[in-house]
Amino acid sequence: QVRLVQSATEVKKPGSSVKVSCKTSGGTGDSFSSFAINWVRQAPGQGLEWMGGIIPVIGSPNYAQNFQGRVIITADESTSTAYLDFSSLTTEDTAVYYCARGEAFDLWGQGTEVSVSS
Amino acid sequence: QTVVTQEPSFSVSPGGTVTLTCGLNSGSVSTSYYPGWYQQTPGHAPRTLIYSTNIRSSGVPDRFSGSILGNKAALTITGAQADDESDYYCALSLGSGTWVFGGGTRLTVL
Repeated sequence: QVRLVQSATEVKKPGSSVKVSCKTSGGTGDSFSSFAINWVRQAPGQGLEWMGGIIPVIGSPNYAQNFQGRVIITADESTSTAYLDFSSLTTEDTAVYYCARGEAFDLWGQGTEVSVSS
Repeated sequence: QTVVTQEPSFSVSPGGTVTLTCGLNSGSVSTSYYPGWYQQTPGHAPRTLIYSTNIRSSGVPDRFSGSILGNKAALTITGAQADDESDYYCALSLGSGTWVFGGGTRLTVL
């Protein structure tokens, strides 16, 4: 059974960066490379916000305008892992970050909590 | 800027039917936006109910259905149950692999 497994909770200082991972496990390479991996965040008490996505076999990410310049999304086909690299963190970036697969968003990771505090 | 609109809250009686909608601040929602619907309970990851307007995700009961109603995407829940009480989000494709979520609807079953 294919699952998306995300990295553990992160605690960061304002101005720093964080890298969150999302590994596709339990499937073949086909279950990773040709499906988009989307990154979605949810601030405390708020709704879902699409940040960007990448199709690993293509490799060119797309970003929401709000995150252009601060976010880099990459994918490593050899490990079936996608990454969200987020820089210049502020306290407003405190949120749970989810990865979700494909245009159907048919699989979701368990979420990675990122807390930004001085 | 594209804004996706949803009702902030809705209530339904147990066993009743409710339709939640997903619109655009400018223009109409069509199947070309590949609307999706997601259910989320507090402290849990979202669960996909519907994608590409009306395709149920694996394991989703047929009480949940998606459609286009007028100029909006719609999620209809029939025979509402207590555990349908959740937040519901829609998302629309803006093309070129980009998406935008609505603000969500909190559904109460009472």
